[in-house]
Amino acid sequence: GESVGLHLPTLSVQEGDNSIINCAYSNSASDYFIWYKQESGKGPQFIIDIRSNMDKRQGQRVTVLLNKTVKHLSLQIAATQPGDSAVYFCAETGRSQGNLIFGKGTKLSVKP
Amino acid sequence: GAGVSQSPSNKVTEKGKDVELRCDPISGHTALYWYRQSLGQGLEFLIYFQGNSAPDKSGLPSDRFSAERTGGSVSTLTIQRTQQEDSAVYLCASSSRPRGGSEAFFGQGTRLTVV
Repeated sequence: GESVGLHLPTLSVQEGDNSIINCAYSNSASDYFIWYKQESGKGPQFIIDIRSNMDKRQGQRVTVLLNKTVKHLSLQIAATQPGDSAVYFCAETGRSQGNLIFGKGTKLSVKP
Repeated sequence: GAGVSQSPSNKVTEKGKDVELRCDPISGHTALYWYRQSLGQGLEFLIYFQGNSAPDKSGLPSDRFSAERTGGSVSTLTIQRTQQEDSAVYLCASSSRPRGGSEAFFGQGTRLTVV
């Protein structure tokens, strides 16, 4: 798994702009990926998932892109709103793993 | 229940004491995970239960940490002889499919403070 730093990377965007949050995953055998949103004082909440047989999946205002060649995952949030301010984590798992491994997270701050 | 329930929500304990943290997963979920989250940091995997299989304990940081899952439902995470570095939020999650096939639903966590 990834080592955890003392401070989370931070992304600051203006309300209404698009946000892109990136994640590098560690295991080439992983075949299922999830993005979670964690607001202060709460447990992580599911946003969107993608399986390794896809390279893009869209939800409401969110899009996840998967690049298996470089083991990279991204979350795009369209028309970012103040309510999107939170810490975002990517997570990976697979048939050979069982457990769910989280990346270090990115703190998104939305300026009004 | 409607979601994953953890208790207590907050626990303050003295250094050296033992603590037990409880997790009630979503009914019918066969997979259960424990994570630890220190302030401002990511989720550190601790242990994973899947049905009747032997748990994956590879994330437990020391032999002071143990967990059990009785009857394939409720789980208890036990920390013996607590240390100040054990202070963190302990999160539990459950999932309906084995081997990483679906999203995991998280509880609100137990905030443990060792003084």
